[in-house]
Amino acid sequence: KQEVTQIPAALSVPEGENLVLNCSFTDSAIYNLQWFRQDPGKGLTSLLLIQSSQREQTSGRLNASLDKSSGRSTLYIAASQPGDSATYLCATDYQAGTALIFGKGTTLSVSS
Amino acid sequence: NAGVTQTPKFQVLKTGQSMTLQCAQDMNHNSMYWYRQDPGMGLRLIYYSASEGTTDKGEVPNGYNVSRLNKREFSLRLESAAPSQTSVYFCASSELGVWATEAFFGQGTRLTVV
Repeated sequence: KQEVTQIPAALSVPEGENLVLNCSFTDSAIYNLQWFRQDPGKGLTSLLLIQSSQREQTSGRLNASLDKSSGRSTLYIAASQPGDSATYLCATDYQAGTALIFGKGTTLSVSS
Repeated sequence: NAGVTQTPKFQVLKTGQSMTLQCAQDMNHNSMYWYRQDPGMGLRLIYYSASEGTTDKGEVPNGYNVSRLNKREFSLRLESAAPSQTSVYFCASSELGVWATEAFFGQGTRLTVV
């Protein structure tokens, strides 16, 4: 059974810092890994999708990498801003090629 | 662009009552999913439908039933609501497997069972 773990559970940083969020999963036979953002009281918004043949994806100040063999993914946020404050969730295949299963998320607070 | 639409947004039920949560997507995705989100537990998969006409259990299916009415619509039914089913429910859609696409989520249904 796939299990997804995110460390740390919460993180507070001053504006401008570069930071890394970690995600690990137990079953490496995955087809894709996704990172999402969730603002309080809202739904989830997809940030980055890393498909099975890829090792990383970039969007603006965000960069996500995937190492399937070690069961790890990282989300790198450059030059953090207060608007980045949210909960970040990673998700991967529940079973190979099926629905997503989520970690519990990292709640990020960026202070100005 | 509507994306994924869930109804209702809020609902209060009494223990033992039944209700159906509706979900529709307009992105022509084959796959649709239902999750519940609880404090400290994160998002947990209830049921998913890989394609029209198929449904499969996720992590926490007990107490729920689903119907994939057509490619656009995927409903979640609580036959006899219990306080333990108080939660925020999210519907999502995407493509799966080798050609997976990003998943799109609805805004959620906040359900309270008293």
